[in-house]
Amino acid sequence: NAGVMQNPRHLVRRRGQEARLRCSPMKGHSHVYWYRQLPEEGLKFMVYLQKENIIDESGMPKERFSAEFPKEGPSILRIQQVVRGDSAAYFCASFPGLDTDTQYFGPGTRLTVL
Amino acid sequence: ILNVEQSPQSLHVQEGDSTNFTCSFPSSNFYALHWYRWETAKSPEALFVMTLNGDEKKKGRISATLNTKEGYSYLYIKGSQPEDSATYLCAFNTGTASKLTFGTGTRLQVTL
Repeated sequence: NAGVMQNPRHLVRRRGQEARLRCSPMKGHSHVYWYRQLPEEGLKFMVYLQKENIIDESGMPKERFSAEFPKEGPSILRIQQVVRGDSAAYFCASFPGLDTDTQYFGPGTRLTVL
Repeated sequence: ILNVEQSPQSLHVQEGDSTNFTCSFPSSNFYALHWYRWETAKSPEALFVMTLNGDEKKKGRISATLNTKEGYSYLYIKGSQPEDSATYLCAFNTGTASKLTFGTGTRLQVTL
């Protein structure tokens, strides 16, 4: 059973461009979480999704950020019109919903905004 | 305590030393306490999830305890090895599928 996959691992964007980060959860996991680590800070929750639904977006910036987890395919975190302050490592975690309380993390996508 | 606090921030020990770290968390509205081990450029690796006051978990040379009444957890490493060098994160959540609130971690370096 492959772990949580994220791609790309590194992404460079210029200010004003769009960034799309992908997360494929572990097989059989229907819950996905996105976390962000800003420079010199800890991991901070952004959004929690189940298939086709946003369950908790209390950590998402109000503008330019959106997330989806469609019925088929990976979860996508989309950042429009990126700014330098968006430079961070973005981590995805998945959770099966049954039999365990553990969230399993991917290796992260490091976004650099020039 | 409103957030998760970890101490010390960093720790440097010799191979063979035993060590421990502290995680403090809000004791109200608590569901579970999670410990992760995180090496640079890798995924955070789940070590333990604990939910009950007095829980003790063990995995090899690493063990953890939980006190939900006073809001703290200890992680112990017995006989540290260089491969134990990593950042150790703790997090809590308020429900089985709810978001994790993380501390900033304890960075452990073990030298020969």
